[in-house]
Amino acid sequence: NAGVTQTPKFQVLKTGQSMTLQCAQDMNHNSMYWYRQDPGMGLRLIYYSASEGTTDKGEVPNGYNVSRLNKREFSLRLESAAPSQTSVYFCASSELWVEKLFFGSGTQLSVL
Amino acid sequence: AQSVTQLGSHVSVSEGALVLLRCNYSSSVPPYLFWYVQYPNQGLQLLLKYTTGATLVKGINGFEAEFKKSETSFHLTKPSAHMSDAAEYFCAVSDQAAGNKLTFGGGTRVLVKP
Repeated sequence: NAGVTQTPKFQVLKTGQSMTLQCAQDMNHNSMYWYRQDPGMGLRLIYYSASEGTTDKGEVPNGYNVSRLNKREFSLRLESAAPSQTSVYFCASSELWVEKLFFGSGTQLSVL
Repeated sequence: AQSVTQLGSHVSVSEGALVLLRCNYSSSVPPYLFWYVQYPNQGLQLLLKYTTGATLVKGINGFEAEFKKSETSFHLTKPSAHMSDAAEYFCAVSDQAAGNKLTFGGGTRVLVKP
């Protein structure tokens, strides 16, 4: 049982480049989330999808876009990467809204 | 707005000693409270949660936490630390006023000394 799968695990970008982080869950969960983790700041919610077909902004959405492709997949796109977006990104899912969250293993992104 | 404060970004304990991680929250309505653990190079895993009912909550790996409304606290404890408890621990709060979104504290990294 894979749970929540994120790709890639590591990525280095130059300022201004774009990329998409992929996330897929195989638990038939309704809700999916994207967080970023920065030292001393815990996890901050970027975007979430409470159910298939809906997406909404979290605490720090600027510079990001998301797509809930289907019930399984939720992608995060950086259109023009900035050094301030250097972080570790986590995708998570839950069966119900803000029930137990299941996290992927993270994507370490560096923007130079 | 809801918020979470974890006292101490780093805690060092000896193997066999008490583990105490402090968490205070602010919330305008009765909150849901969570503790998550993150082992190196992994995502977060739920340790325990409080929603309603009994204020002393038991979780996995021998951890427990007590919800104290009067103190707006949800401290995490384990009577006897094990080397495998070395990890980062995050307290989180959710309430309806914030659309039930989770807000995480800054995390506390636990080092266990032999």
